[in-house]
Amino acid sequence: KQEVTQIPAALSVPEGENLVLNCSFTDSAIYNLQWFRQDPGKGLTSLLLIQSSQREQTSGRLNASLDKSSGRSTLYIAASQPGDSATYLCAVLQGAQKLVFGQGTRLTINP
Amino acid sequence: NAGVTQTPKFQVLKTGQSMTLQCAQDMNHEYMSWYRQDPGMGLRLIHYSVGAGITDQGEVPNGYNVSRSTTEDFPLRLLSAAPSQTSVYFCASSFTSGGAVETQYFGPGTRLLVL
Repeated sequence: KQEVTQIPAALSVPEGENLVLNCSFTDSAIYNLQWFRQDPGKGLTSLLLIQSSQREQTSGRLNASLDKSSGRSTLYIAASQPGDSATYLCAVLQGAQKLVFGQGTRLTINP
Repeated sequence: NAGVTQTPKFQVLKTGQSMTLQCAQDMNHEYMSWYRQDPGMGLRLIHYSVGAGITDQGEVPNGYNVSRSTTEDFPLRLLSAAPSQTSVYFCASSFTSGGAVETQYFGPGTRLLVL
């Protein structure tokens, strides 16, 4: 059974720092990996999607990498801002619609 | 496009009552799914559909029914509500492009409280 783990569970950093969020998964047979952002009481917003054949994706200050063989992904956030404060979720797609989620990392950026 | 919409936003039920959570998308996506989010458990897949008339079970399907008569709509039915079904429910849709499954779009969620 696929298991997705995110470390750390919570992270607090001062504004302007670069940071890395980690995600690991136990079964490398995935279609893709996605990083989502969730604000309190809200739905999920997709940040980046990496197909299984890709190694990384970039969007603005965000960069996500995927190493299928080691079962790891990282989300790099450059020059963090208070507006980046949210919970970040990693999810792997197994089958057409079977997303398996990690527990998330709650990120706080302090002004 | 409105994207993925869900109604109601919040609902209180008594144990044993039934209800339907509505989900609609206007992006012509073939794939739709339902997740529940619980503290300490994360998001878990309830049911999913790969097209109109085709549905299948996810990780936690017991106590829930789905049907998909149109591409746009994917309602989730609670047959006899139980306190264990207190949760936040999210509907999602996605599509394929060049054989690859693309980004999942999530609705804003329905908060359900079963007393």
